[in-house]
Amino acid sequence: SAVISQKPSRDICQRGTSLTIQCQVDSQVTMMFWYRQQPGQSLTLIATANQGSEATYESGFVIDKFPISRPNLTFSTLTVSNMSPEDSSIYLCSVGAGFYGYTFGSGTRLTVV
Amino acid sequence: AQTVTQSQPEMSVQEAETVTLSCTYDTSESDYYLFWYKQPPSRQMILVIRQEAYKQQNATENRFSVNFQKAAKSFSLKISDSQLGDAAMYFCAYKKWDPGNMLTFGGGTRLMVKP
Repeated sequence: SAVISQKPSRDICQRGTSLTIQCQVDSQVTMMFWYRQQPGQSLTLIATANQGSEATYESGFVIDKFPISRPNLTFSTLTVSNMSPEDSSIYLCSVGAGFYGYTFGSGTRLTVV
Repeated sequence: AQTVTQSQPEMSVQEAETVTLSCTYDTSESDYYLFWYKQPPSRQMILVIRQEAYKQQNATENRFSVNFQKAAKSFSLKISDSQLGDAAMYFCAYKKWDPGNMLTFGGGTRLMVKP
């Protein structure tokens, strides 16, 4: 299955600033998924990113707040913009491993102060 | 829309004993996939076991097995001979049959293993 390198692993940011999270995959994949995991909660899908097209956002998430880039089949970034303490979460990227489960990055723990 | 429910926020088990984590889901689809993921404190999501809905036989991976009841829309995880390293959050997840669909996760169960 694919191996994903996700950076940064953690960061502490000031409110009002932005953070860009990167995911690099060791193989070409069509779709990449970005999830948010709020403290003590489950994973919620933010958006699905296809190469060459705009990301598809889930209800409650908007492009202005969470812009996503997908310049090629092995790389994607998620930016958390104009951050507030409510954005403090773990952010994870994921790719499908065919029909048989999904591989996840190691996650980015974001704390907004 | 599909929903996944894990009714046990926390479970504990004695080392070497067996524990069962519950999961129910709601879907109108007939073909789909179900998964159990483990998330230790490292945050890494680790696939534990998967089940294709069209298969009647329950999946097994070493000490991990599932009880898949399609009609009841139930998908429980049994961990045998529990080890200290099994302590983690466990998430049940659903995926439609179509390739490229995202996973829908349950709320998670925190498993504690007592030495």
